[in-house]
Amino acid sequence: DAKTTQPTSMDCAEGRAANLPCNHSTISGNEYVYWYRQIHSQGPQYIIHGLKNNETNEMASLIITEDRKSSTLILPHATLRDTAVYYCIYSGGSNYKLTFGKGTLLTVNP
Amino acid sequence: GAVVSQHPSRVICKSGTSVKIECRSLDFQATTMFWYRQFPKKSLMLMATSNEGSKATYEQGVEKDKFLINHASLTLSTLTVTSAHPEDSSFYICSARRSSTNEKLFFGSGTQLSVL
Repeated sequence: DAKTTQPTSMDCAEGRAANLPCNHSTISGNEYVYWYRQIHSQGPQYIIHGLKNNETNEMASLIITEDRKSSTLILPHATLRDTAVYYCIYSGGSNYKLTFGKGTLLTVNP
Repeated sequence: GAVVSQHPSRVICKSGTSVKIECRSLDFQATTMFWYRQFPKKSLMLMATSNEGSKATYEQGVEKDKFLINHASLTLSTLTVTSAHPEDSSFYICSARRSSTNEKLFFGSGTQLSVL
């Protein structure tokens, strides 16, 4: 199974940037890194994904290291509604399933 | 963005009865759908992969005769929990993907099943 390592929890002040790290040292060349988040009792919400280049969309930025063994999700201006569990996953090629780890509980404080 | 609709959002049933959960991709054709379950304060656990027109592929430890999956069309997959027991009470979530394996997954809003 694809495995990633994320901190169990993180805190962030409202309005500040939230930087969520993820280690995925066993990722292979054709596997993408995906980030999802889940707010209590809801289905996961897609945030962003990338292969090797940094990516940015209206929700977040994804920074992938050159060796692709780790990445960081950046929420540039965290709000209280960004409080959620954030999952980092990799998938692609022959491993097309998304296997979720334990994720990081991000708490945005006023 | 693409939408996956899951119904019902909440169901309460008696022990021994069967419950069907529907998952629909509303604006795209989903050749592959995935079913997950989630216990309180735990991560999502993949149960099975549903492919349109063929049998589902179940993850290790998931009973295929208990969790019946049907993917009869490119926009609909169903999960039937047969002879439900209280330990089947859980949050069930479906997801769907377009044809490419590198496409992102779109998730339904989940179904909270409570078996009395």
